[in-house]
Amino acid sequence: AQSVSQHNHHVILSEAASLELGCNYSYGGTVNLFWYVQYPGQHLQLLLKYFSGDPLVKGIKGFEAEFIKSKFSFNLRKPSVQWSDTAEYFCAGVRFSGGYQKVTFGTGTKLQVIP
Amino acid sequence: DVKVTQSSRYLVKRTGEKVFLECVQDMDHENMFWYRQDPGLGLRLIYFSYDVKMKEKGDIPEGYSVSREKKERFSLILESASTNQTSMYLCASSSPSSRPEQFFGPGTRLTVL
Repeated sequence: AQSVSQHNHHVILSEAASLELGCNYSYGGTVNLFWYVQYPGQHLQLLLKYFSGDPLVKGIKGFEAEFIKSKFSFNLRKPSVQWSDTAEYFCAGVRFSGGYQKVTFGTGTKLQVIP
Repeated sequence: DVKVTQSSRYLVKRTGEKVFLECVQDMDHENMFWYRQDPGLGLRLIYFSYDVKMKEKGDIPEGYSVSREKKERFSLILESASTNQTSMYLCASSSPSSRPEQFFGPGTRLTVL
């Protein structure tokens, strides 16, 4: 069975610190990988996505992620976090099976940025 | 602006009640999903549908059923609510294309007393 793992459950950073959140997936074949963000009181929204091509993908608000196939990883990064980045971040993987999408989410990482 | 809407933001029900959660999307998406979100467990897929009147079980379907009579509407039904179904319920939709980005509704926080 496919799985997506996020090892950091709760991260606390000071403003301007650099961020890296880990995400690992367990299945081979073609993978579509996503990072979603949920700001306090808001609904989940897409941060960035990887389908194919350049393994370094850039998303909104200065976030980026790198797909490393050999490590089955898709870590999220930001060089300098802001207080407004306080949110919960979810990694997700999608593969196609039997003609439809099979979606798996990680357990999420809560990021708290201290001013 | 694309939208996924859910019928209620907050809902309080009693044990044993039948509960209906409604979700509507305006993007003409074929795929629709129901998740529950619990602290420390992330999003867990309950059911999904890839076409009208079609449904597939997700990872935790026990105690739930769904209905998809129209393309834009996907309903989650708790036949007899129990306290362990207290949770945040999220609806999402996506296109069946090779780029399956999901669009989420605001969620329904259900409390079962």
